[in-house]
Amino acid sequence: SAVISQKPSRDICQRGTSLTIQCQVDSQVTMMFWYRQQPGQSLTLIATANQGSEATYESGFVIDKFPISRPNLTFSTLTVSNMSPEDSSIYLCSVGRQGANYGYTFGSGTRLTVV
Amino acid sequence: AQSVTQLDSHVSVSEGTPVLLRCNYSSSYSPSLFWYVQHPNKGLQLLLKYTSAATLVKGINGFEAEFKKSETSFHLTKPSAHMSDAAEYFCVVSDARGGSSNTGKLIFGQGTTLQVKP
Repeated sequence: SAVISQKPSRDICQRGTSLTIQCQVDSQVTMMFWYRQQPGQSLTLIATANQGSEATYESGFVIDKFPISRPNLTFSTLTVSNMSPEDSSIYLCSVGRQGANYGYTFGSGTRLTVV
Repeated sequence: AQSVTQLDSHVSVSEGTPVLLRCNYSSSYSPSLFWYVQHPNKGLQLLLKYTSAATLVKGINGFEAEFKKSETSFHLTKPSAHMSDAAEYFCVVSDARGGSSNTGKLIFGQGTTLQVKP
């Protein structure tokens, strides 16, 4: 399965600032996603990161708040913009493989605290 | 539309006794189903997956799950609980089977906290 390196692993940020999270995969993947896990909650899909085009956002998430880049098949970034304490969560990158090796791998997550 | 419901938010068992974590799904497609485990302050680990092959799926650490289409269920079981099994468990559904004509999005259940008592 793919190996994901997600950075930073954790951060404490001031409200009103932005944080960019990086997701690096050790091989080319077609499907890449960003999830949010609020404290004590399950995972919610933020968006699908599309290579070379704008991300596809889920209901309740907008590009101005969570801009996403995916310049190639191994790398993506998620920015959490103009942060407030409500953005304190774990943010996870995930990649999916199709075909015979169908499945999903998750990064170790970025634990964000906004103060 | 797809959804998944984990019927118990918290399950407590004694070490050495069987584990049953219940999951029901709803899907317009023939679904793929997964169980993931998340230990405290750790990442998500895949326990097992169902993708239309055998309905009884065996996973890691002695866990298994049975896909029952008539009951729209995918319950997770283990014959004998170990202290190290204490964690959060997520049942997950996807419309992707590995083909190119689906979104590949995962829908997570709300999670079940498994407590294992000595």
